[in-house]
Amino acid sequence: DAGITQSPRYKITETGRQVTLMCHQTWSHSYMFWYRQDLGHGLRLIYYSAAADITDKGEVPDGYVVSRSKTENFPLTLESATRSQTSVYFCASSERGGYGYTFGSGTRLTVV
Amino acid sequence: AQSVTQPDIHITVSEGASLELRCNYSYGATPYLFWYVQSPGQGLQLLLKYFSGDTLVQGIKGFEAEFKRSQSSFNLRKPSVHWSDAAEYFCAVGDPNAGNNRKLIWGLGTSLAVNP
Repeated sequence: DAGITQSPRYKITETGRQVTLMCHQTWSHSYMFWYRQDLGHGLRLIYYSAAADITDKGEVPDGYVVSRSKTENFPLTLESATRSQTSVYFCASSERGGYGYTFGSGTRLTVV
Repeated sequence: AQSVTQPDIHITVSEGASLELRCNYSYGATPYLFWYVQSPGQGLQLLLKYFSGDTLVQGIKGFEAEFKRSQSSFNLRKPSVHWSDAAEYFCAVGDPNAGNNRKLIWGLGTSLAVNP
């Protein structure tokens, strides 16, 4: 199916563990983004990518790593999860000529 | 610095009533403007966007928004609200001169409840 998919939808992990959240889009959109959504903070940009092999930090990148070896995939890795990283994570994509984002359904991550 | 303010954290309206959600921005020039909706447990969906031209923009689901340069506002409206409109609404702005930087600046959202 065409679209943007995130996996897993729900994840519980322990403090200190590494966890990777997956994002896959089928449109070959150039731009991809990772946001976290927390009550009182709205949406905060973690990392974004303008194209394969081009990534840049957003406003809250500490503790996260991204890669983009293929246009369609943009995984987000928490190197050593902390409780403060408990959040809902959204991936989004946007085509080169456009500005409207298409969002995935999100991953709810709980760090215990 | 660019910023987006949604003054109303929470709004409750009755089904069938009209709706206006406010959005004010701070930016040196006219930015690109967006409204997104987020239903519970879902990702955000683009309702409408303004880049240039006609200041009244029509979107999906019967929504419209009006850009007012003098007020730095981009308020979202709907003439008759349906119970299914209950959701979180986000206003966002983008920089037309951003080049490869396509980041959006987001408001904190307005939660809409609809009474039957």
